[in-house]
Amino acid sequence: GQQLNQNPQSMFIQEGEDVSMNCTSSSIFNTWLWYKQDPGEGPVLLIALYKAGELTSNGRLTAQFGITRKDSFLNISASIPSDVGIYFCAGQGRKLGSQGNLIFGKGTKLSVKP
Amino acid sequence: GAVVSQHPSRVICKSGTSVKIECRSLDFQATTMFWYRQFPKKSLMLMATSNEGSKATYEQGVEKDKFLINHASLTLSTLTVTSAHPEDSSFYICSARVWTTDTQYFGPGTRLTVL
Repeated sequence: GQQLNQNPQSMFIQEGEDVSMNCTSSSIFNTWLWYKQDPGEGPVLLIALYKAGELTSNGRLTAQFGITRKDSFLNISASIPSDVGIYFCAGQGRKLGSQGNLIFGKGTKLSVKP
Repeated sequence: GAVVSQHPSRVICKSGTSVKIECRSLDFQATTMFWYRQFPKKSLMLMATSNEGSKATYEQGVEKDKFLINHASLTLSTLTVTSAHPEDSSFYICSARVWTTDTQYFGPGTRLTVL
């Protein structure tokens, strides 16, 4: 099915470093979501973005909804070992009240070296 | 808030048997729930959209007679894998949509192994 372009596919960084990942699409989305998935678990919502240009923080995480509505980025500052996992972006193209199907990126696998 | 549970978390069954997986929204009502399948090291693949009180909508290529979905209440959707075969072994994840924000919250997943 249709997917977003998520980059990078994997990252191996040192504890304390900042992390940046992004998603791009040829389609416009009304909502961008960022999830984190640990092995054997379901995705956990990190940040939801509802407006073009919106910049939202959740602790050390910051995400932005691109002005063109075709992209989003997620930054993690001062990474710690528990940040390890797979991060997925998801775009939602339908308006409020519809089925609200999500389109997922392929994920960014983050590894943090203590 | 917005907690979604799944039961069971793991199930092992023999080929040919049926398995039911439950998805519950614990602290909110969800008129719409979604069922996904995830293969190892892959992203989530939407199988079907479950609507309370009506028939589920299946994605292309997903057999509706094999993956039976029932959304009988505003807090419960079930996925039944009928006549399971080893190729049905996978990680199945549900999500529930919060009406006011259109945001999906995911359950912890169910690992199905068919012997």
